[in-house]
Amino acid sequence: GAGVSQSPRYKVTKRGQDVTLRCDPISSHATLYWYQQALGQGPEFLTYFNYEAQPDKSGLPSDRFSAERPEGSISTLTIQRTEQRDSAMYRCASSYRDSSTDTQYFGPGTRLTVL
Amino acid sequence: AQSVTQLGSHVSVSEGALVLLRCNYSSSVPPYLFWYVQYPNQGLQLLLKYTSAATLVKGINGFEAEFKKSETSFHLTKPSAHMSDAAEYFCAVTYPAQKLVFGQGTRLTINP
Repeated sequence: GAGVSQSPRYKVTKRGQDVTLRCDPISSHATLYWYQQALGQGPEFLTYFNYEAQPDKSGLPSDRFSAERPEGSISTLTIQRTEQRDSAMYRCASSYRDSSTDTQYFGPGTRLTVL
Repeated sequence: AQSVTQLGSHVSVSEGALVLLRCNYSSSVPPYLFWYVQYPNQGLQLLLKYTSAATLVKGINGFEAEFKKSETSFHLTKPSAHMSDAAEYFCAVTYPAQKLVFGQGTRLTINP
C-alpha cells in the first residue's frame, strides 16, 4: 500500500482477554517494527522483522506478548491475558531494508485500552 | 546502551519566533539521529535525519538540526514559528541496532 496501515485504530478490552493487532506495511518494505507508546512517553521498541525472520524481540515485556509475520508482509501483535498496564498506543513502522540508516515510516497506531 | 534526553517536555513560543528543541544523546559509538513529529491522531512523520554525512541537516517544513559530537547534541531549530508547527516532537537514535530509541518528546505550542 501507499502507507503503513494498522487495525483496529481503537480497541477496548477487558482484563484477561486476548487481543490481536494488525499492521500492513508499505508493500516494498522488507523490515517491520513494533513499538509501544505509553501516554506522555516516547515510543519504546518491542520487536522487529526482516521479511519473516524476527532477529530481535528483546523489547517484548513478557511472554504474554508475541508477534508474527508469516509471509513477510502483514504482521500481527498478540497480547494474551491482557492487563491494565498493557493500555498504550501500539505503533507499527516499516523500512525498505534492515539498516539503521533507513527511515522508518509509521502507521497511525492502535490505541489499546484494557479495563 | 543508547539513550536520548529531550530537555523540556513543553515549549511555548510566539508565532514568528525562533523554535529551539533540545536533544542530547548518549551512545558508545557515533549514532544516527532522527527527529520525528507527531500531529494529533496521526502517525509519526520524519522531519530529518543525520547519518554521518553533513553535520547540518535540513528537513521538511523549514526545520534543521546540527549534529555536534563534542556536545553530544542534535538540537532542532526553525527560524520562524508558524501556527501549523504545533505538535509533539521526538528525537531518536539508532546504531548499531536498527531499532529507534526515542526521547520522551517535547510538546510545542505556538502563541498567536
